[in-house]
Amino acid sequence: TQLLEQSPQFLSIQEGENLTVYCNSSSVFSSLQWYRQEPGEGPVLLVTVVTGGEVKKLKRLTFQFGDARKDSSLHITAAQTGDTGLYLCAGEESGYSTLTFGKGTMLLVSP
Amino acid sequence: DAGVIQSPRHEVTEMGQEVTLRCKPISGHDYLFWYRQTMMRGLELLIYFNNNVPIDDSGMPEDRFSAKMPNASFSTLKIQPSEPRDSAVYFCASSLAGTDTQYFGPGTRLTVL
Repeated sequence: TQLLEQSPQFLSIQEGENLTVYCNSSSVFSSLQWYRQEPGEGPVLLVTVVTGGEVKKLKRLTFQFGDARKDSSLHITAAQTGDTGLYLCAGEESGYSTLTFGKGTMLLVSP
Repeated sequence: DAGVIQSPRHEVTEMGQEVTLRCKPISGHDYLFWYRQTMMRGLELLIYFNNNVPIDDSGMPEDRFSAKMPNASFSTLKIQPSEPRDSAVYFCASSLAGTDTQYFGPGTRLTVL
């Protein structure tokens, strides 16, 4: 089983600040996904990255896949209270239909 | 469009009782996944089905856990007998073949006393 380590585990910031969270593995993934989970709800897919070095932007969120496809980062610019939630990364192994999830980064954005 | 539907949303039971969790996937989706989420272990895959057939149940923790998918629109996860360490949030997710997006239900929060 490939493991995904996410850091930090918990992050508390003020509205307007920038932040970066990380997802690392010693193994290679064919693709990597980022999900956001709000309290009492299931995870919701934000983005999928498939190419080493790929950068995707979703409004104030910037996702990057490492060149070796072993790691990824999520950067949020000018965080808002609505960004509060658990951010999960999930990797897909080549040829498999399943995802391996990290434990997540819990982000709290205060006004 | 209706998303993945799970019931009940909350379940409180006593140790030793049988628990049945239910899931209705998104219509037309070929894959169905059952996950368990805890603070300690995060989100873990228990079992998944393709076209109603169980493909990989290696994540099922013990023989006390069983899952069925009698048709394309319904699946159950049963725990018998339940134990306090089974307390967790159980999620069902579905996806369409050829895509990598899983759609999660709202989860069932299970508490075993």
